[in-house]
Amino acid sequence: QVQLQESGPGLVKPSETLSLTCTVSGGFISNYYLSWIRQPPGKGLEWIGYIYNSGSTNYNPSLKSRVTISVDTSKNQFSLKLSSVTAADTAVYYCARGGGSVYYYYMDVWGKGTTVTVSS
Amino acid sequence: SSELTQDPAVSVALGQTVRITCQGDSLRNYYTSWYQQKPGQAPVLVIYGKNNRPSGIPDQFSGSSSGNTASLTITGAQAEDEADYYCNSRDTSNNHWVFGGGTRLTVL
Repeated sequence: QVQLQESGPGLVKPSETLSLTCTVSGGFISNYYLSWIRQPPGKGLEWIGYIYNSGSTNYNPSLKSRVTISVDTSKNQFSLKLSSVTAADTAVYYCARGGGSVYYYYMDVWGKGTTVTVSS
Repeated sequence: SSELTQDPAVSVALGQTVRITCQGDSLRNYYTSWYQQKPGQAPVLVIYGKNNRPSGIPDQFSGSSSGNTASLTITGAQAEDEADYYCNSRDTSNNHWVFGGGTRLTVL
């Protein structure tokens, strides 16, 4: 059974870089869409972006200038970096693995999520 | 605001059928995936593609689409179906993906 687990600091200072890692166990990450999603407190889901085939990335336009998603297939991990964070970046961050095509995209295995608070 | 529009809240009587909708111009050309999220839990994929259910999702969940509207239908709603439901599809630029604002389903 494939499982995903997010890890990283739960508290980040304003203007610094948020860094999270997603470790995938029980399955592969090659040839899958590896995604990050976040959910601010009491609000809906926000798609951050994905990496596919170890190199092709697609980011939310509203975050694109600050986001980098990368993958380390040797460790079965993928990572999120979000720079210049503010309080508005406080959220539960989820990683997910999934598939898709030109006409659809889905995330069928999710991590439990990790809470990141931006505060000095 | 989201480029995919969902009703904020919908209610259904126990055992009845409910349709949750998602509207957006991109839906004329792209399929929608649907996610169920219960309080304090990660989202769960319930429908993707034309009308595909992941393993373990009961057939009471089904998806359809017409024009600029995608629908998730829950047949015979149960108390455990009470949750937030989110649609996800392409944005209007057709280059990125976006979630709808979510629909809170209450089972009466």
